[in-house]
Amino acid sequence: ETGVTQTPRHLVMGMTNKKSLKCEQHLGHNAMYWYKQSAKKPLELMFVYSLEERVENNSVPSRFSPECPNSSHLFLHLHTLQPEDSALYLCASSQRQVGTDTQYFGPGTRLTVL
Amino acid sequence: AQTVTQSQPEMSVQEAETVTLSCTYDTSESDYYLFWYKQPPSRQMILVIRQEAYKQQNATENRFSVNFQKAAKSFSLKISDSQLGDAAMYFCAYRSVNGANSKLTFGKGITLSVRP
Repeated sequence: ETGVTQTPRHLVMGMTNKKSLKCEQHLGHNAMYWYKQSAKKPLELMFVYSLEERVENNSVPSRFSPECPNSSHLFLHLHTLQPEDSALYLCASSQRQVGTDTQYFGPGTRLTVL
Repeated sequence: AQTVTQSQPEMSVQEAETVTLSCTYDTSESDYYLFWYKQPPSRQMILVIRQEAYKQQNATENRFSVNFQKAAKSFSLKISDSQLGDAAMYFCAYRSVNGANSKLTFGKGITLSVRP
């Protein structure tokens, strides 16, 4: 596989479920990101990991818990979500502090919370 | 804080024609990066073009070019010879140069349709 991959592509969960989203980058990058994309709203940055350390958390509720075990993998653990959390969750990666530090995106996970 | 505004929610273009997508931004910084991303329906967001603010020359990538007006804080995308595959949502984004913050600030996006 090339680029940035995300699994699952679609997820439907109840408010009491626990699930995880997975992201893997095959680009040799050292930074990874989680974004939330809701209809009619700009993409919202949720978390940034650089060299496997979380460097940014944009006031995301604790029901979202990220994990970055190594520079190629990023998880988003979900528990007791709300219906308003339904959105497309995008993962991205980049090589920080090199040139324009362009971010490359995965295809996203379409999450529906019932 | 930086903001990015895409005031046109939708646009339409005839195949083979040229279309320009508008984007303005607000910042107090003198150096930064600007991007246009394309997100086709149910498909991956991909980078279309990027511009470094310190460069006066407008970036071009094949049929895609930008009109970067730094003083006006405007960064429009021109698509020449539009193709059906150009139909997508287009996002304008801003990134600061300073520090280790790689945060991208996105506009709301514009949906481009291409008429055959």
